[in-house]
Amino acid sequence: GDSVTQTEGPVTLSEGTSLTVNCSYETKQYPTLFWYVQYPGEGPQLLFKVPKANEKGSNRGFEATYNKEATSFHLQKASVQESDSAVYYCALMGGYKLTFGTGTSLLVDP
Amino acid sequence: EAAVTQSPRNKVTVTGGNVTLSCRQTNSHNYMYWYRQDTGHGLRLIHYSYGAGNLQIGDVPDGYKATRTTQEDFFLLLELASPSQTSLYFCASSAPTGNYAEQFFGPGTRLTVL
Repeated sequence: GDSVTQTEGPVTLSEGTSLTVNCSYETKQYPTLFWYVQYPGEGPQLLFKVPKANEKGSNRGFEATYNKEATSFHLQKASVQESDSAVYYCALMGGYKLTFGTGTSLLVDP
Repeated sequence: EAAVTQSPRNKVTVTGGNVTLSCRQTNSHNYMYWYRQDTGHGLRLIHYSYGAGNLQIGDVPDGYKATRTTQEDFFLLLELASPSQTSLYFCASSAPTGNYAEQFFGPGTRLTVL
């Protein structure tokens, strides 16, 4: 079946520093890839979709490029803010099912 | 804005107890999902449905039943709850178009089995 592997957390950063969360996947289908974010006390919500191979998805300063050859789509942000503190999930869609990674908890110190 | 509600928000039961978690979505989405969230495992799919009366098996279905009574309502049933089912449960809905199907999640139900 499908699988997704991402950076283990927690990750602690100072405000203004850069973020990279690694994510790789395995699937036998052509994947549709997503990043979701979960703030404390809430359900996950879509951050953005990464549409096609070698294309970039982005939202709220976060971005990820789907590297088909490396089967990866790492999440990046140039300058994190305290409000970015959350858990980030990469996810792979196969059929109508989402397979999530284990999540990466990010804490940004002001 | 998609709206998915869950009840109860917190539930405590004992081993062997009978629990029903409820989910309602008001956006006419045809797909609904039940996940459990555990540290070190992320979100794992228990069951899902693509319409009233339909049920599909997810990745971790053991010990769980589900029922979709209407397009809006999806229930998760634990008939003999065990401590291993202590978890945070999320319901989600989506309306797939092609290969793109954003899932909208509810606020979660925290279940504790003593």
